[in-house]
Amino acid sequence: GEDVEQSLFLSVREGDSSVINCTYTDSSSTYLYWYKQEPGAGLQLLTYIFSNMDMKQDQRLTVLLNKKDKHLSLRIADTQTGDSAIYFCAEYVTGGYNKLIFGAGTRLAVHP
Amino acid sequence: GAVVSQHPSWVICKSGTSVKIECRSLDFQATTMFWYRQFPKQSLMLMATSNEGSKATYEQGVEKDKFLINHASLTLSTLTVTSAHPEDSSFYICSARALSLRRGSTDTQYFGPGTRLTVL
Repeated sequence: GEDVEQSLFLSVREGDSSVINCTYTDSSSTYLYWYKQEPGAGLQLLTYIFSNMDMKQDQRLTVLLNKKDKHLSLRIADTQTGDSAIYFCAEYVTGGYNKLIFGAGTRLAVHP
Repeated sequence: GAVVSQHPSWVICKSGTSVKIECRSLDFQATTMFWYRQFPKQSLMLMATSNEGSKATYEQGVEKDKFLINHASLTLSTLTVTSAHPEDSSFYICSARALSLRRGSTDTQYFGPGTRLTVL
């Protein structure tokens, strides 16, 4: 089956690192994505990782993938108040019409 | 980057009326567009996949006669909520898939800003 799970809430202090975790079930996923959604807005693609990679770094963002455990994480270094948003993990499943399966989203709150 | 727009950004309508939401890819062609629904504090639920020039593919549990999807061109898809009722109130988000010809790249989905529908 297709299922993506995330913790619902994370609170961090400004300047600290944030780590958002995600687990997925479909082992045939080719790509895994992280999207950011600010209040009342659509989704902004943050980064993605191909399933044969272990890690991808993009400025303050680091994505780690443990394919054996089907575990994905997003680390945000030096978290700022502007990072407060909901972060969605999504897996790209193929077969028929290819589609994204989203997790429920993790609400990140950054406080001074 | 690729831009996807939605119109309107919000709409309030009376129960029983129909509402049309437009999704446009502004600077790229999208052979495939997706329609999602998002309830408060919940994830996006894929409603249907729309391919230009063909019928949409609906996810299980989504009524195709209630949520009419038309994808008449490579830059425009529309979602019509027919005979809307209060339970149809939600945030509707579309995305458009931009095909990349680069080997090994992902077919990235770009999301619109969403349309908030409130049915009274």
